[in-house]
Amino acid sequence: GAGVSQTPSNKVTEKGKYVELRCDPISGHTALYWYRQSLGQGPEFLIYFQGTGAADDSGLPNDRFFAVRPEGSVSTLKIQRTERGDSAVYLCASSFSGLADLNTGELFFGEGSRLTVL
Amino acid sequence: SQKIEQNSEALNIQEGKTATLTCNYTNYSPAYLQWYRQDPGRGPVFLLLIRENEKEKRKERLKVTFDTTLKQSLFHITASQPADSATYLCASRARGSTLGRLYFGRGTQLTVWP
Repeated sequence: GAGVSQTPSNKVTEKGKYVELRCDPISGHTALYWYRQSLGQGPEFLIYFQGTGAADDSGLPNDRFFAVRPEGSVSTLKIQRTERGDSAVYLCASSFSGLADLNTGELFFGEGSRLTVL
Repeated sequence: SQKIEQNSEALNIQEGKTATLTCNYTNYSPAYLQWYRQDPGRGPVFLLLIRENEKEKRKERLKVTFDTTLKQSLFHITASQPADSATYLCASRARGSTLGRLYFGRGTQLTVWP
C-alpha cells in the first residue's frame, strides 16, 4: 500500500525480553518519527530521523530504547529488557521533509504497533 | 516546561450542531498548531494546520482559529454528523525547537448522536 506500514500490529512479550518494532515509511519521505501513545493520552515524541541520522532522540525515555534507520527508509525501534511500563501503542510517522515550515507540516501516521509487556 | 492541553476529555453533541474543541498552550510560542483526527485502533490523520501569523483557517466543514493573546486554538466542526465521532488531537511545534518534534494534547473524544 501507499501508507506507512508498521509491523507487528500487536506484540505481547514478557518482562525482560527484547522487542523490535518495524516501520516502513511512505516512499520518498525523508523524515521519519517514532511516537508512543498510552491509553487516554496523546502521542509522545520519541525520536526523529532526517535521512539515516537521528536528528533528535531526546524523547527516548532511557538507554533501553534505541532506533535505527540504516538506509534512510525502513526504521526499527528496539527495546531491551522490556518493563510493564513500556506497554503502549508505538506509532511511526513519516513526512516528505522535516522542514515543516515549507509545507503543511503534515505527518502521515501508521496504524501503530501495540506492545503489551506482561 | 512546554505544555499543550485539551481541557475537555469528551464532548457529546447532537447531529447538525457545531462542535467546538479547545486547545491551550503554556510556556512557549508555537510556530504553528495542527489538528488530527484519531479513530479507535488507528493512527492519527492530519486535518488542518494554522500558523502563528494566521487567525483562521477553513477546510470544508472544519474551521480552526489561533489566538496568540489567549494562547488558544479553537477547532470547529459545523453541521456535525455521527461520522465525525472520533478523538481530535491538537499538536504544535515550538519556535526554535527541532523541526520534527511535535507536542500533542491528550485529545478530546467527540461523540455526535443522531
